[in-house]
Amino acid sequence: KNQVEQSPQSLIILEGKNCTLQCNYTVSPFSNLRWYKQDTGRGPVSLTIMTFSENTKSNGRYTATLDADTKQSSLHITASQLSDSASYICVVSALRNAGNMLTFGGGTRLMVKP
Amino acid sequence: DVKVTQSSRYLVKRTGEKVFLECVQDMDHENMFWYRQDPGLGLRLIYFSYDVKMKEKGDIPEGYSVSREKKERFSLILESASTNQTSMYLCASSFGQVGSPLHFGNGTRLTVT
Repeated sequence: KNQVEQSPQSLIILEGKNCTLQCNYTVSPFSNLRWYKQDTGRGPVSLTIMTFSENTKSNGRYTATLDADTKQSSLHITASQLSDSASYICVVSALRNAGNMLTFGGGTRLMVKP
Repeated sequence: DVKVTQSSRYLVKRTGEKVFLECVQDMDHENMFWYRQDPGLGLRLIYFSYDVKMKEKGDIPEGYSVSREKKERFSLILESASTNQTSMYLCASSFGQVGSPLHFGNGTRLTVT
């Protein structure tokens, strides 16, 4: 069964500090992995996509990594800001004859405190 | 910028009522989706559509139906609302190409009493 596990479930950090969120998956055959940011009361918004051949990709202060061998991804946030407070959701896509099938992680709720 | 608009932010309905949740996207996306989001369970796919008048069941279709009469509009219908359908409902759309991101609406929080 395809699964995506995220850790930690929740995290509190001080403004300006760095943090790393983890995503482990058992999805096959792998197509791609996306990280989404969901602000409170809003829908998720895509931050970055990782394909099989990519190890690292940055989007501003967000850096995603992918290890396709161990089936792990991380999202590193540098110099956190109060606006980074949100849920971060890892979504893994599997190739299917009828198109991609998405498996969602349960998310990590990040709170950045001043 | 892609816009996915859900008709209501908050809805309160009574058990047994028929409920319509509407979603409109303005980017000519082929695919449209309905998810529900519950604490501890993440997002779960209810139904999706990859073309007008086409629909496919997701992981939890029981108690729901959908309608896609026009490309830009995807409706979720609760035939007879029950308290266990109290949830946040999120609509999303995307292009048909592999790897295209989902664009979400801001959700409808439905409470069934």
